[in-house]
Amino acid sequence: GAVVSQHPSWVICKSGTSVKIECRSLDFQATTMFWYRQFPKQSLMLMATSNEGSKATYEQGVEKDKFLINHASLTLSTLTVTSAHPEDSSFYICSAETPGIPPQHFGDGTRLSIL
Amino acid sequence: AQSVSQHNHHVILSEAASLELGCNYSYGGTVNLFWYVQYPGQHLQLLLKYFSGDPLVKGIKGFEAEFIKSKFSFNLRKPSVQWSDTAEYFCAVNGGGATNKLIFGTGTLLAVQP
Repeated sequence: GAVVSQHPSWVICKSGTSVKIECRSLDFQATTMFWYRQFPKQSLMLMATSNEGSKATYEQGVEKDKFLINHASLTLSTLTVTSAHPEDSSFYICSAETPGIPPQHFGDGTRLSIL
Repeated sequence: AQSVSQHNHHVILSEAASLELGCNYSYGGTVNLFWYVQYPGQHLQLLLKYFSGDPLVKGIKGFEAEFIKSKFSFNLRKPSVQWSDTAEYFCAVNGGGATNKLIFGTGTLLAVQP
């Protein structure tokens, strides 16, 4: 089946640093990938839709200058949390979809802890 | 705006008990509906989906769900749960439009006691 790989699985860093998270579709091409954020005991909230070769579409309330998304190829999207602060600590999950063929397939998630 | 509501946040059952998890959504147009499961330490996996046709859909591991359009519901059921069904269950919906973005419910944590 379709596999989505997310890296790293856990990162701890100091406040003010930038962190990059990678999302790869391993056995299919994904023109669209999605980035979600999940707070403890809450649901997944869509942050942005990443489109290969074009700008990402951000959900209301998500700072696009804070959460930089790059989707340079059909198998890779990256999320960079710039100048991260403790309030950015969360669980970030990506998903990918074969063009026009749902469902979305999810990565394992990245736990980000900002000290 | 679309929203998804899961009424049960935490369910505890004994093995062999029957399961029904509620899911209601708010969206007036055509929807695609999904149930995902997240086992401890693992990623989200698709249990079943509804796009059109028979409103009773069967998924993996003996799960099924029924789409009732008049009630805006898509409840998940299993006649007899097993200890291995212990997981968190998420209902999700998308509007079937071009973006395909999913709106998730808050999740239901199911604990099955052996």
